[in-house]
Amino acid sequence: AQKITQTQPGMFVQEKEAVTLDCTYDTSDQSYGLFWYKQPSSGEMIFLIYQGSYDEQNATEGRYSLNFQKARKSANLVISASQLGDSAMYFCAMREGILTGGGNKLTFGTGTQLKVEL
Amino acid sequence: NAGVTQTPKFQVLKTGQSMTLQCAQDMNHEYMSWYRQDPGMGLRLIHYSVGAGITDQGEVPNGYNVSRSTTEDFPLRLLSAAPSQTSVYFCASSYHRTQEKLFFGSGTQLSVL
Repeated sequence: AQKITQTQPGMFVQEKEAVTLDCTYDTSDQSYGLFWYKQPSSGEMIFLIYQGSYDEQNATEGRYSLNFQKARKSANLVISASQLGDSAMYFCAMREGILTGGGNKLTFGTGTQLKVEL
Repeated sequence: NAGVTQTPKFQVLKTGQSMTLQCAQDMNHEYMSWYRQDPGMGLRLIHYSVGAGITDQGEVPNGYNVSRSTTEDFPLRLLSAAPSQTSVYFCASSYHRTQEKLFFGSGTQLSVL
């Protein structure tokens, strides 16, 4: 079974509109972390936002927020006021086994290609 | 501050050739790792290290070797390249084993003919 599922291969959004990128995850761990990374056409991986499984509030970083619904095992990324520069591939990722150590291993989803249009 | 530096950026190999992808970080990170990125498959973990002298396998380790003789360097070796190893390779590191944020290198695009 996929540990991270991103069901939207591609998304379009109008400039200045908000967009939600979906991510669902599968884990039996009680302590885990969820991440979003952005990969523009230049190829680098840019960290956007992090949510810990025990964090009571949804994470926010500027125009990015993470809609964390633990019971549904979803961690959707919300980008407010989209800009042309937001056009990129977006990856959701999960780190399990935080309490047992073993390294900062991330499992990635297959990504969502976002295109922001005028 | 250079961050995570990968070399080379591009490489073409013939089947059966060997090569080493270099990764160095100057942030005194304990944790370092290698991922490969293939179309439609996201990033998959090849090998990782939680400190100098300690390495372990990730999800797709076959065909790759690693070593960690220093905190700064974590090279990835392809002993006998195969076309299935054509991919983009990323090195990533973090301050601590449980640090949230992974810092990524800029990637190496490898083609095996």
